[in-house]
Amino acid sequence: GDSVTQMEGPVTLSEEAFLTINCTYTATGYPSLFWYVQYPGEGLQLLLKATKADDKGSNKGFEATYRKETTSFHLEKGSVQVSDSAVYFCALGESASKIIFGSGTRLSIRP
Amino acid sequence: NAGVTQTPKFQVLKTGQSMTLQCAQDMNHNSMYWYRQDPGMGLRLIYYSASEGTTDKGEVPNGYNVSRLNKREFSLRLESAAPSQTSVYFCASSEGGGLKETQYFGPGTRLLVL
Repeated sequence: GDSVTQMEGPVTLSEEAFLTINCTYTATGYPSLFWYVQYPGEGLQLLLKATKADDKGSNKGFEATYRKETTSFHLEKGSVQVSDSAVYFCALGESASKIIFGSGTRLSIRP
Repeated sequence: NAGVTQTPKFQVLKTGQSMTLQCAQDMNHNSMYWYRQDPGMGLRLIYYSASEGTTDKGEVPNGYNVSRLNKREFSLRLESAAPSQTSVYFCASSEGGGLKETQYFGPGTRLLVL
């Protein structure tokens, strides 16, 4: 079946460092891809999404490009802030009413 | 708008006890979902409701029942709680059920079964 694999954490970076969180997927069809973020004590919220190959999703300085040839959707940010500390989930929209989530990557940013 | 609200925020149960987790959304969304989140496993779908009056099983439905009370409310019931059901439970909603839809999540209910 369809699946999502993302890099294990925790990831610890200094403020203003460059961030990459890797995400790869397997899918039989043409899924949508998402990055969700979970701040401490809160539910998940959508960070960005891409609905077809070569689309780039972007929000709050974060970007990810839907790469069908490498089945990847890596999350990047050029300069992270302490406020970006959270858990990040890559997810795949497989069918109506079903999203498959990765296991999450915890990101900590040092001042 | 409150978005998606869940009650309670935290609950401790003894094995064999029952309880109902409540969820409500004020965004006039058609689809609602219940997930559980366990360490290192991401979120797993328990049940979902594509529209008012319908419910379907997700990946891990055993031990749970749901009720879509109306368009706003979707409850999750544990009839006889087990320690394996210790988890954080999230309710979510989306406007439709398509694979492009964004889901909106509540703050979660942390459940401990002793």
